[in-house]
Amino acid sequence: GAVVSQHPSRVICKSGTSVKIECRSLDFQATTMFWYRQFPKQSLMLMATSNEGSKATYEQGVEKDKFLINHASLTLSTLTVTSAHPEDSSFYICSAQSQRTGRETQYFGPGTRLLVL
Amino acid sequence: AQSVTQLGSHVSVSEGALVLLRCNYSSSVPPYLFWYVQYPNQGLQLLLKYTSAATLVKGINGFEAEFKKSETSFHLTKPSAHMSDAAEYFCAVSEGYGGSQGNLIFGKGTKLSVKP
Repeated sequence: GAVVSQHPSRVICKSGTSVKIECRSLDFQATTMFWYRQFPKQSLMLMATSNEGSKATYEQGVEKDKFLINHASLTLSTLTVTSAHPEDSSFYICSAQSQRTGRETQYFGPGTRLLVL
Repeated sequence: AQSVTQLGSHVSVSEGALVLLRCNYSSSVPPYLFWYVQYPNQGLQLLLKYTSAATLVKGINGFEAEFKKSETSFHLTKPSAHMSDAAEYFCAVSEGYGGSQGNLIFGKGTKLSVKP
């Protein structure tokens, strides 16, 4: 099956620093990747949609200058949380759609837990 | 616009009992529907999906769901609960064939507890 990895799995940083999270599709090419955020005991909320080689599309209320997304290749997307603050502490999950199955299936990464002190 | 409503934020069943997790959706275009399971501190695992083929969909771990257009429902069932089924379950919808938006809209989730 299609595998999506995320790195790191857990990160603790000081307020004001930037954190980069990587999302990789390991055995397929991902035309589209999605970034979600999940607060404790809540559902996943879509932050942005990322297509390879183009600018990400952000959901309403998500600051594009704070959450920088780069989708440089068909197997890698990165989310950078710039000048992180404690309220950015959350579980960040990426997903990827393959060229083959398209919109029928999203494959999810294991998530990255961010704690900002 | 699309939305998902999961009735019951917490469902508790006894081991061996029927599991029924409810999901109703709203979609302006024919939908794709999904059930995902999430174990603590982990990502999401796809249980099953409906993509406009058979309305009764069988998934992994003995789960199945039936797409009922007239009721706009996609309830998840399993005949006999196992302790390992205890987890959070999310129903999700996306635009189906002919639609252009691939992102998933998730319900709020239902936490399933299984009592011995």
